[in-house]
Amino acid sequence: NAGVTQTPKFRVLKTGQSMTLLCAQDMNHEYMYWYRQDPGMGLRLIHYSVGEGTTAKGEVPDGYNVSRLKKQNFLLGLESAAPSQTSVYFCASNPGLLLSGYTFGSGTRLTVV
Amino acid sequence: SQELEQSPQSLIVQEGKNLTINCTSSKTLYGLYWYKQKYGEGLIFLMMLQKGGEEKSHEKITAKLDEKKQQSSLHITASQPSHAGIYLCGAASLGKLIFGQGTTLQVKP
Repeated sequence: NAGVTQTPKFRVLKTGQSMTLLCAQDMNHEYMYWYRQDPGMGLRLIHYSVGEGTTAKGEVPDGYNVSRLKKQNFLLGLESAAPSQTSVYFCASNPGLLLSGYTFGSGTRLTVV
Repeated sequence: SQELEQSPQSLIVQEGKNLTINCTSSKTLYGLYWYKQKYGEGLIFLMMLQKGGEEKSHEKITAKLDEKKQQSSLHITASQPSHAGIYLCGAASLGKLIFGQGTTLQVKP
């Protein structure tokens, strides 16, 4: 099993450009999450989904949109990238069972210039 | 909303020394996760605690959850360079996993 796969692994964007980050999981997990990690700030939750077709805002949702059209995929979109969105983005998934484990992807390093 | 605070934010220790990282929650913890991350890499799951007073160990790392379930500690015995990295505590709450700000550990040979 591949687990949680994030694409791309690296990307450089110019301010104002748009892009979509893809997270795919093959474990039939119900819940999926997008986080961003910045130095000294841990992982902050951007958006999450508790099932196909559902999305919800996390701690830092502004400037991002998400979609979960298929259970296995969770897309994170930046409509108009800003330098403040330079970060490392992590996707995670969870079966949706109480106190079950979370599986993380290997991250996407995004630089906005 | 629940908040997690880790202390210290950074730590430099000599190889062979013991160390402790703390994680304090603003609300009762129902599931507390510890992860380790090497710079530029993904998260490695260490342990999960759920019961008050619970203690788990893996190799030289021990994690505890206090009786009141609002604080957890991670203790490393006889630190090695391989222990270096960022340690993150996470709390499960209403379907979400939220994290503390992380503790960066350096181990000097």
